[in-house]
Amino acid sequence: DTEVTQTPKHLVMGMTNKKSLKCEQHMGHRAMYWYKQKAKKPPELMFVYSYEKLSINESVPSRFSPECPNSSLLNLHLHALQPEDSALYLCASSQDVSLQETQYFGPGTRLLVL
Amino acid sequence: GENVEQHPSTLSVQEGDSAVIKCTYSDSASNYFPWYKQELGKGPQLIIDIRSNVGEKKDQRIAVTLNKTAKHFSLHITETQPEDSAVYFCAALDPNAGGTSYGKLTFGQGTILTVHP
Repeated sequence: DTEVTQTPKHLVMGMTNKKSLKCEQHMGHRAMYWYKQKAKKPPELMFVYSYEKLSINESVPSRFSPECPNSSLLNLHLHALQPEDSALYLCASSQDVSLQETQYFGPGTRLLVL
Repeated sequence: GENVEQHPSTLSVQEGDSAVIKCTYSDSASNYFPWYKQELGKGPQLIIDIRSNVGEKKDQRIAVTLNKTAKHFSLHITETQPEDSAVYFCAALDPNAGGTSYGKLTFGQGTILTVHP
């Protein structure tokens, strides 16, 4: 099974709200990723976790705060977002962060910031 | 860093025809090339991939070819069906992105494929 699940599917939040996105995989993968995807554009990498430690932060604003509570779960905490942060947020996982590892994507959370 | 160019941006074919999408990459160190299909409202789904030690790979109606010398790779879909309609992304994995020890996927801009019944 190559399934990555994400909740919620849709989220509407105001600029002063705090919310969290959740991602889960049970494939035993040790690398997990957050991507942001705007309409008609490819996914853009935000964060990479390897063995539950943050390995890569692609210069993402601090209003996005990732967390990896265990090897199966990945959260993205959102606070004081801007309307331009509205996008599809995708979680992915792979066996490892090293060479030639396939990344499997979840269905995404569609976020609207008002 | 890696740069991936993808063409065409839109492709319209009749059911039963073949479809070809081409990508070029810039970093000769890239060694893994997946293709993703993304349907409306869904996440990207891996449909086929190829590693740098292989020139061609086929899975039923889908095939991918890789020319490392020319730094380009292509997706071929034969006998297209309406359910093949989606956005297709190519990607290249740079195994040492920015001097790190982790592989970073760089995506092409995507191709909107429409298969008319």
